[in-house]
Amino acid sequence: DSGVTQTPKHLITATGQRVTLRCSPRSGDLSVYWYQQSLDQGLQFLIQYYNGEERAKGNILERFSAQQFPDLHSELNLSSLELGDSALYFCASSGSGAFQETQYFGPGTRLLVL
Amino acid sequence: KNQVEQSPQSLIILEGKNCTLQCNYTVSPFSNLRWYKQDTGRGPVSLTIMTFSENTKSNGRYTATLDADTKQSSLHITASQLSDSASYICVVNSGTYKYIFGTGTRLKVLA
Repeated sequence: DSGVTQTPKHLITATGQRVTLRCSPRSGDLSVYWYQQSLDQGLQFLIQYYNGEERAKGNILERFSAQQFPDLHSELNLSSLELGDSALYFCASSGSGAFQETQYFGPGTRLLVL
Repeated sequence: KNQVEQSPQSLIILEGKNCTLQCNYTVSPFSNLRWYKQDTGRGPVSLTIMTFSENTKSNGRYTATLDADTKQSSLHITASQLSDSASYICVVNSGTYKYIFGTGTRLKVLA
């Protein structure tokens, strides 16, 4: 158990809908990362937050957005969902978000778009 | 183009044997290289993180090497166990808070 929690574990929805994925980092960690893992593209970095502020953006679509709240939990919002958005979405956390820090991954949310 | 390539794609070995997984990258600039172990359907677990100046780093039976000149890394697993069956993913950080993932090597350890 990494100490990172993600909810829900599974999510089934229809195309065009909007969903919100939630992540709680390990106690004391200030930085949160979001990743997408699909069968055809593998793991991809989406976005990183540090203490409520966006720090880095990866391959995140414009239909996706995220935020980190004052209590440090984070939410990833996916809108206008398409079939291709079906994937595992992981959240990870680290202490300060420095380059060499170990990131601890949560168990993931499995999203299925029908 | 920043890329991370891993080989082999899959590997089957007998319990107790050693194996080596390869990672070649073309990422520039380079900040660090990570190896993760990912069990099916679960989140990746960090094995090692190496910066430019580090050649070798160990974590139990896992030893990673890095040759920054040739842009190659390897992960050596010693005395494999059934629990080593997983995907092993190489990730390169380019120093701009971005992470480029390899497609992974799927390892199966047989009794």
